[in-house]
Amino acid sequence: AAGVIQSPRHLIKEKRETATLKCYPIPRHDTVYWYQQGPGQDPQFLISFYEKMQSDKGSIPDRFSAQQFSDYHSELNMSSLELGDSALYFCASSFNGKGNTGELFFGEGSRLTVL
Amino acid sequence: QKEVEQNSGPLSVPEGAIASLNCTYSDRGSQSFFWYRQYSGKSPELIMFIYSNGDKEDGRFTAQLNKASQYVSLLIRDSQPSDSATYLCADNAGNMLTFGGGTRLMVKP
Repeated sequence: AAGVIQSPRHLIKEKRETATLKCYPIPRHDTVYWYQQGPGQDPQFLISFYEKMQSDKGSIPDRFSAQQFSDYHSELNMSSLELGDSALYFCASSFNGKGNTGELFFGEGSRLTVL
Repeated sequence: QKEVEQNSGPLSVPEGAIASLNCTYSDRGSQSFFWYRQYSGKSPELIMFIYSNGDKEDGRFTAQLNKASQYVSLLIRDSQPSDSATYLCADNAGNMLTFGGGTRLMVKP
C-alpha cells in the first residue's frame, strides 16, 4: 500500500540558509500535518492543511511557512535556519471524511542538520 | 503544562512480562486517543486507538481508557525484546494529534 512519501530524507544546511521539505500524502487523504521532533523529544505539531487550506497552526516559527498544492502534496519552507532547527521533520496524512478514525499515517521523516 | 503527560521512563521489564504504560490528559473534551510506537530515528507507527471507556484488546496489546480520571493506558502482554521502543500517547482534540513526551520501554531478554 502507498505510504506518505517525504523528501529529501536527509538535508544538511548552514545557518541562515533556506530549506524546503516535501511531502506526498497517501492517495485520497485530504489532510496533511507537519511535525518537528528534536533529539529526545516527542513530535511537536507545526501546521496542518485540509483540502489545501491551512486548518490548524501549532508551534511553527515565523521563519517557516508551508502550503498544500492542488495535487495535495505539501511543502515546508524554512528560512534563516538556526542550529536549533536541526530535527526530524515528519509529515503525516489522514482522511477526515465520513468514517474517519482520526489516525495519522506518518512518513519516514526528513532529517535536517543545520551546521 | 503539557496537555498529554507520560512518564519518560525508561520502563524496564523482563521478556515475557506485562508492560504497563500510562498517560494522562488535561482536555476533558478529548474523545479519542492513540498509542504510537516509535523506534529510534524512525517514524511513529500506530498500535491502537480507543474512543470508549473501558478496554480494547488487539493481540498482545490492550488499551484502557478512563474518561472520568482522564487517563489512558497500554498493556503489552508477553513482552518481547522487539517491543523495546518509545511509546507515544496522543489525543485527537482539535483535529490534530497532541503527543505526550513518550515512555521508553526496554524489554530485557
